[in-house]
Amino acid sequence: KQEVTQIPAALSVPEGENLVLNCSFTDSAIYNLQWFRQDPGKGLTSLLLIQSSQREQTSGRLNASLDKSSGRSTLYIAASQPGDSATYLCAVRPGAGGTSYGKLTFGQGTILTVHP
Amino acid sequence: GAGVSQSPSNKVTEKGKDVELRCDPISGHTALYWYRQRLGQGLEFLIYFQGNSAPDKSGLPSDRFSAERTGESVSTLTIQRTQQEDSAVYLCASSPRKGGQGNEQFFGPGTRLTVL
Repeated sequence: KQEVTQIPAALSVPEGENLVLNCSFTDSAIYNLQWFRQDPGKGLTSLLLIQSSQREQTSGRLNASLDKSSGRSTLYIAASQPGDSATYLCAVRPGAGGTSYGKLTFGQGTILTVHP
Repeated sequence: GAGVSQSPSNKVTEKGKDVELRCDPISGHTALYWYRQRLGQGLEFLIYFQGNSAPDKSGLPSDRFSAERTGESVSTLTIQRTQQEDSAVYLCASSPRKGGQGNEQFFGPGTRLTVL
């Protein structure tokens, strides 16, 4: 059974810092990995999706890397801002085949607070 | 364009009552997923629809939970005889056809269900 773990559970940093959020998964047979942010009272916003054949994806100040063989992904946020404060979730989609049908397995999330 | 919408945004009900939660996926998306997020816990998969059929119902916690989808569009999740442990945010996601690049899941804002 796939298990996804995110470290740290919570992180508080001053504005302007670069930071790294970690995600690990136990079964390396994944199709892709997706990073989301969740704001209180709102749904999930997709940030980056990395296919299993890719090593990293970048969007603005965000960079996500994937090391499929070791079961790890990191989300790097450059020059953090108070608006980045949210819960960040990592989710993996099982590999093709079988009856997984693309359902995502989520980590518990990292609660990020960026203070001015 | 319009994203995934869900209604109601909040629902408070008494223990033992039935509730219906609605999801309108992105137009043209054939895959639809329901997830549940209980307080302090990660997202749990409930059910997956491909078109109007549900090949994976493995996440439904009990026979009090059921879901249907019509017209390859709207889906409703029904919880009968609600219990306090059903209190959670219920999230719906849709995705283009399986395979290829279009397998990212797009989430709605969720329905917060509180069972008194």
